[in-house]
Amino acid sequence: AQSVTQLDSHVSVSEGTPVLLRCNYSSSYSPSLFWYVQHPNKGLQLLLKYTSAATLVKGINGFEAEFKKSETSFHLTKPSAHMSDAAEYFCVVSDRTSGTYKYIFGTGTRLKVLA
Amino acid sequence: EADIYQTPRYLVIGTGKKITLECSQTMGHDKMYWYQQDPGMELHLIHYSYGVNSTEKGDLSSESTVSRIRTEHFPLTLESARPSHTSQYLCASSEFNGPPHNEQFFGPGTRLTVL
Repeated sequence: AQSVTQLDSHVSVSEGTPVLLRCNYSSSYSPSLFWYVQHPNKGLQLLLKYTSAATLVKGINGFEAEFKKSETSFHLTKPSAHMSDAAEYFCVVSDRTSGTYKYIFGTGTRLKVLA
Repeated sequence: EADIYQTPRYLVIGTGKKITLECSQTMGHDKMYWYQQDPGMELHLIHYSYGVNSTEKGDLSSESTVSRIRTEHFPLTLESARPSHTSQYLCASSEFNGPPHNEQFFGPGTRLTVL
């Protein structure tokens, strides 16, 4: 079975400094991977997704992630944090079980941006 | 505008009450999902549907039930609410015959508190 591990439950950065949110996955085949963001009292919004077309994936709001098969990682980065980036971030792997695709979620990383 | 809606956004009820959480989408998606999310935890799939008259149980055991009489509507019902049902419930939808990297679109969630 596939699984997702988000290595940090909380990350704090100063505004204008780089963001790194770490995600490792386990998979028996080539996975589909996603990053979602959830702002307080809101639903989840897709930031970006890996579909095997390119290992470096660019998403919305300046975020990007690099798929590294050798390290089974899919870390999310942003060069310069903004106050509006403060939110919960979820790494997700798409798993095929019983003939259908389901999402397997990480436990989330809460990003705090300090002024 | 294509979107996914959930009502109510917040609900506080007493033990033993019957409740229905509403979810509707205008994106024409066949697949719909219900997730349960507790603070600081990953999302857990509790129900999903391939289309009209299709309902399946998810990975997390739940005392709730769902129905899918119309493509756009996927309500979740608790016959007798208990404090252990206190949680956030998120509805999502996606295309049916899509590849594994098809994204799911999420509603804003219903935060349920059972006293």
